[in-house]
Amino acid sequence: SQQGEEDPQALSIQEGENATMNCSYKTSINNLQWYRQNSGRGLVHLILIRSNEREKHSGRLRVTLDTSKKSSSLLITASRAADTASYFCATVDNTNAGKSTFGDGTTLTVKP
Amino acid sequence: DSGVTQTPKHLITATGQRVTLRCSPRSGDLSVYWYQQSLDQGLQFLIQYYNGEERAKGNILERFSAQQFPDLHSELNLSSLELGDSALYFCASSVYGGNEQFFGPGTRLTVL
Repeated sequence: SQQGEEDPQALSIQEGENATMNCSYKTSINNLQWYRQNSGRGLVHLILIRSNEREKHSGRLRVTLDTSKKSSSLLITASRAADTASYFCATVDNTNAGKSTFGDGTTLTVKP
Repeated sequence: DSGVTQTPKHLITATGQRVTLRCSPRSGDLSVYWYQQSLDQGLQFLIQYYNGEERAKGNILERFSAQQFPDLHSELNLSSLELGDSALYFCASSVYGGNEQFFGPGTRLTVL
């Protein structure tokens, strides 16, 4: 199956709630990145976490990385309607420097 | 605005034809990536260039080719087009391979 698989595929929550998305991968990685995409637009980089880091914060975003389980999670706290988008994780291969593999994404809908 | 430009924005062509998509990376970025995004295949990595040289290859068909020029802009050539090639084609750039990528707005290709 595909490197960088997000879970769930779709998530619908109310404004103000927290949203958690998960990503699993298979190979050894250099770093893992999360991106956001509004419908039909280019992806926007949110956060990068290196393989020797366990947790990283950026505003309302919190990313964790567990290299032993080959998984990462993205938590968006106090969600807003404007957070409605698709979220992708991307793994950067440790053996094929620079090669990024994106998952299929989680579609998040935040209802006002 | 990510600083990455792509032309054209939209392209409508017929099966069997050949098209060229163009990408200008952010100033200072040496790596350029090409991705294809379709509804059924998700975001697929096609190819990466670093300072004019091919760095990594993904699911790029033999009918597709790319290159990065000395001024660092890149072109993706798609030939013998098929209906299934209809998709959004994104270019992204980064300073080096493996860093955060900045995505262009994409070229929407429709093959009739």
